[in-house]
Amino acid sequence: EVQLVESGGGLVQPGRSLRLSCAASGFSFDDYAMHWVRRAPGKGLEWVSGISWNSGATHYADSVKGRFTISRDNAKNSLYLQLNGLRPEDTALYYCAKDGGGNSGNMDVWGKGTTVTVSS
Amino acid sequence: DIQMTQSPSSLSASVGDRVTITCRASQGISNDLAWFQQKPGKAPKSLIYAASTLQSGVPSKFSGSGSGTYFTLTISSLQPEDFATYYCQQYNSYPLTFGGGTKVEI
Repeated sequence: EVQLVESGGGLVQPGRSLRLSCAASGFSFDDYAMHWVRRAPGKGLEWVSGISWNSGATHYADSVKGRFTISRDNAKNSLYLQLNGLRPEDTALYYCAKDGGGNSGNMDVWGKGTTVTVSS
Repeated sequence: DIQMTQSPSSLSASVGDRVTITCRASQGISNDLAWFQQKPGKAPKSLIYAASTLQSGVPSKFSGSGSGTYFTLTISSLQPEDFATYYCQQYNSYPLTFGGGTKVEI
């Protein structure tokens, strides 16, 4: 069974940093691109970042460019998101999602998410 | 960036109703469109990709159509488990973008 489990969320003050992790199992992790998507309270889904299977390509939403960094460790079947310079508007449930294949951007499997709250 | 506009933002329907949700892209995206269902407290679930291809295990009461800039998601006979929020998403180009969502209520 394909499974994605996020961790690392929490309460953090504005301007501070956090690192999210996503542990993948049940599929050949190093064959697929991966993504982070978030949902702020009372709002819709927002794609945050994506990374190709070999880390050769990374993409970011304008809202996080320069502050967030996506990375992966294929040996550990893990995806990461480093969140720096956090702002209250970054408060959201962050989901890890598997790409459907070919670095398409079609996300076929999602984790349950980890909550990030940015507040003083 | 490609803007995705869903309509309606919410709708009320009854069990057994046929429901259609529309999604428009601000520029042509071929058929690079996916639909997701999200229930409260749950992760999004992929229903359809490539505008009309059902994900494995998704019941055939869900169907998608369209290409270019206009897309629809239809639920042929609404059941209690289908009351949820539905999102479209384009993957034609980065940044990937979602529609604002359609909440389907009883």
